[in-house]
Amino acid sequence: GQNIDQPTEMTATEGAIVQINCTYQTSGFNGLFWYQQHAGEAPTFLSYNVLDGLEEKGRFSSFLSRSKGYSYLLLKELQMKDSASYLCAVTDSNYQLIWGAGTKLIIKP
Amino acid sequence: GAVVSQHPSRVICKSGTSVKIECRSLDFQATTMFWYRQFPKQSLMLMATSNEGSKATYEQGVEKDKFLINHASLTLSTLTVTSAHPEDSSFYICSASSGTNSYNEQFFGPGTRLTVL
Repeated sequence: GQNIDQPTEMTATEGAIVQINCTYQTSGFNGLFWYQQHAGEAPTFLSYNVLDGLEEKGRFSSFLSRSKGYSYLLLKELQMKDSASYLCAVTDSNYQLIWGAGTKLIIKP
Repeated sequence: GAVVSQHPSRVICKSGTSVKIECRSLDFQATTMFWYRQFPKQSLMLMATSNEGSKATYEQGVEKDKFLINHASLTLSTLTVTSAHPEDSSFYICSASSGTNSYNEQFFGPGTRLTVL
């Protein structure tokens, strides 16, 4: 079956760095997305990786290793507004988007 | 750019009634629209994928006669929950893409919270 694993919840301190991991087992791979979702709101796009390596976008970076079926989202200089759920999603060989259950990130002062 | 709106944002209805939710792409042509539902503390669950002018493709376990989807134009898709019951209460989110599959980035609407009494 197809599966995406990410931690259920993480806690970090304001100003610090946090890494949210995502591992996947899917039938084929055509890209991996990271989305941010605040409580009661729809997800917003953060990043898209289709090739191995690190993509940096401001305070957020996303890394992909296709051979390991692994990605991480790195958040630097954490702010209180970064408290949200972070969803990892993979596009499989049929171009279907498989969603992870999300990681709830709690930022403490 | 790439703004998607949903209407209504919240709806409360009585059991047995039908509710229509609209999803509009405001500044681009959405070849494909996706409908999701999300229960509290759970991830998004894809309900169906609709391409403009053709019938929606429903995910396994989603009743097509209960969740009617119409994608009549490149900027509008509607989801009608027919004969709603309390177990249909959920957060319904649409997304739109200018591509023909989920390889292309999806832009999400703000969601509609449905409460069925």
